[in-house]
Amino acid sequence: SAVISQKPSRDICQRGTSLTIQCQVDSQVTMMFWYRQQPGQSLTLIATANQGSEATYESGFVIDKFPISRPNLTFSTLTVSNMSPEDSSIYLCSVVRLRGSNYGYTFGSGTRLTVV
Amino acid sequence: RKEVEQDPGPFNVPEGATVAFNCTYSNSASQSFFWYRQDCRKEPKLLMSVYSSGNEDGRFTAQLNRASQYISLLIRDSKLSDSATYLCVVNIESAGTYKYIFGTGTRLKVLA
Repeated sequence: SAVISQKPSRDICQRGTSLTIQCQVDSQVTMMFWYRQQPGQSLTLIATANQGSEATYESGFVIDKFPISRPNLTFSTLTVSNMSPEDSSIYLCSVVRLRGSNYGYTFGSGTRLTVV
Repeated sequence: RKEVEQDPGPFNVPEGATVAFNCTYSNSASQSFFWYRQDCRKEPKLLMSVYSSGNEDGRFTAQLNRASQYISLLIRDSKLSDSATYLCVVNIESAGTYKYIFGTGTRLKVLA
């Protein structure tokens, strides 16, 4: 499966500021995904990042708040803009790989964000 | 109704016990199914895919019932190291894109 390096692993930020999270994959992948996992909750898909096109956002998430870059097939960034305490969460990037007849998701180690 | 539903638990079981989790999904177009394991403060990791015919990996057995739209995970001879949250994941593929829907997870605690 793919190896994903995600950073920062954690950060404490002031409200109103922005944080950019980076994910580097060890091989080329078509789609990268950004998830959020709030305390005690499951994972919620924020957006799908495709190389060479605009990201596709899920309901409840907008580009102005969560701009995404995907400059090449191995790298993506997610920015959490104009942060508020409600944005405190774990943010995870992931890729999906076809292995034989199966599909599997691999996740980065996550970014634990606390907004104060 | 949630797209993927799981009993949140926690399931507290003694070492050596057999424990089973179920997960139901609402979208009949769901195509692939997985169980992920998430340890506290860690990212989810793929435990096993779930095949229509059922599949086994050591102490773990996964089954799919498309007619009733549920999947299950059976863990035999539980170990302390099995303590984690188990996430049911359903994949819906449409027009070349994937959408993975995660359940909220079932917490398992194996007791010595």
